[in-house]
Amino acid sequence: DAGITQSPRHKVTETGTPVTLRCHQTENHRYMYWYRQDPGHGLRLIHYSYGVKDTDKGEVSDGYSVSRSKTEDFLLTLESATSSQTSVYFCAITDKLNTEAFFGQGTRLTVV
Amino acid sequence: QQQVKQSPQSLIVQKGGISIINCAYENTAFDYFPWYQQFPGKGPALLIAIRPDVSEKKEGRFTISFNKSAKQFSLHIMDSQPGDSATYFCAASMRGGADGLTFGKGTHLIIQP
Repeated sequence: DAGITQSPRHKVTETGTPVTLRCHQTENHRYMYWYRQDPGHGLRLIHYSYGVKDTDKGEVSDGYSVSRSKTEDFLLTLESATSSQTSVYFCAITDKLNTEAFFGQGTRLTVV
Repeated sequence: QQQVKQSPQSLIVQKGGISIINCAYENTAFDYFPWYQQFPGKGPALLIAIRPDVSEKKEGRFTISFNKSAKQFSLHIMDSQPGDSATYFCAASMRGGADGLTFGKGTHLIIQP
């Protein structure tokens, strides 16, 4: 999987608790992305990063924040988890523009 | 506003047949159009991609047809095999993908033996 590790792979959390998902890459790729996948919606972009400390919002960024303090790590934080954030979260990386984006194995998050 | 519309939602094809999945986009600023294949429990993986300066791209049994004036593109899988059974997503991006991909909602393809 192109040197991408997502952790944890599965998590169950309670409504209102903070949650942080981690994406770690060993490819030294510049661009990193967080998507969520929900039945009937495909994949939707949450946040992305184009370098250390450089991040921007995607289509469905409300309720999420991100940080990238090192090239290899991109963290996604749900400040106060809600049931609507139950989803499968995928991290993706790419190096050059107009080239393949490599996806991680995903994190299945359930908010109860 | 859905920027990339994909159809059909599900598709059943007999082994050896042709599978066709269609996508339409709205934003003329899109400049990269990839197709991703996803198996259960896995992340999506790039299958084939095209840029709007060509009308067709073929890689093995997989072909993308691109119609810029109609703002449509499609994936054709020739000689479909049971191993092709998966979910397929079309996507589009602008600025070379720096801002991420906009995906269609996916097509669940089943190839019957």
